[in-house]
Amino acid sequence: SQTIHQWPATLVQPVGSPLSLECTVEGTSNPNLYWYRQAAGRGLQLLFYSVGIGQISSEVPQNLSASRPQDRQFILSSKKLLLSDSGFYLCAWSLGAASGYTFGSGTRLTVV
Amino acid sequence: AQSVTQLGSHVSVSEGALVLLRCNYSSSVPPYLFWYVQYPNQGLQLLLKYTSAATLVKGINGFEAEFKKSETSFHLTKPSAHMSDAAEYFCAVSADSNYQLIWGAGTKLIIKP
Repeated sequence: SQTIHQWPATLVQPVGSPLSLECTVEGTSNPNLYWYRQAAGRGLQLLFYSVGIGQISSEVPQNLSASRPQDRQFILSSKKLLLSDSGFYLCAWSLGAASGYTFGSGTRLTVV
Repeated sequence: AQSVTQLGSHVSVSEGALVLLRCNYSSSVPPYLFWYVQYPNQGLQLLLKYTSAATLVKGINGFEAEFKKSETSFHLTKPSAHMSDAAEYFCAVSADSNYQLIWGAGTKLIIKP
C-alpha cells in the first residue's frame, strides 16, 4: 500500500536560520508531488509541485525552494527563514486527477 | 479557469442535527470533485470523491455528497452530527492540467453539545 512520510512534526527555528523539510512516498512510482502551506486562519496555499525528478514548478515567489532528487522524495528548503514563513506545511502526492491527493501528517513550523 | 466556493467559513450545528456544508464549483470540463477533512494539527484526509459515476457519493464517517451539474454544486451532508465531526472541511475540483486540485477556502464545522 502507498504511504507518505513527512518530518519533522514540529519545528521551532530562529529568524535567518536554514530550513529543510523532507517528504517521501512509498508504494508507488512517478507520483506528482506537492508542497502546501497553511498560515494561521488561512486556507491551503500551493507552494511547489513536481511531475518528475528535477522538475519543480513554483506557484508563489518567496524565499523557499523545493527539490526532487529522487522519484519519491520531495524536499522543501530555505536559506534564511522569515517570521512570515511560520505555518503548517503539508506534503501530498497524486497519480492523477481522479485519484485526488494523499497528504502527509504535516510539519508545524514556528519561526521565532 | 476553475474555481471552488465554500459558503460559510464557519458552520455551527447541534449534536444530532443535520450537517450541510456547501460547495459550488466552476469548470469548463466535466470535473472530478473531492471533499477532505482536516482535524487540528493533522494532514487532510479524503472523505469522498466524485469521478463521473454515481451522482450521490458515499464517503467515510457517514458523510455523503451529491453532484448536481445544473447547480454546479457538490454539497456535503451527514444526517446526524457527532462531536467527533468537529473539524475543517475542504472542497476541491480537479484542474485542467498537471493533476492540480483547486481548493475552496475551507469550512470549520463546530458541533454544539
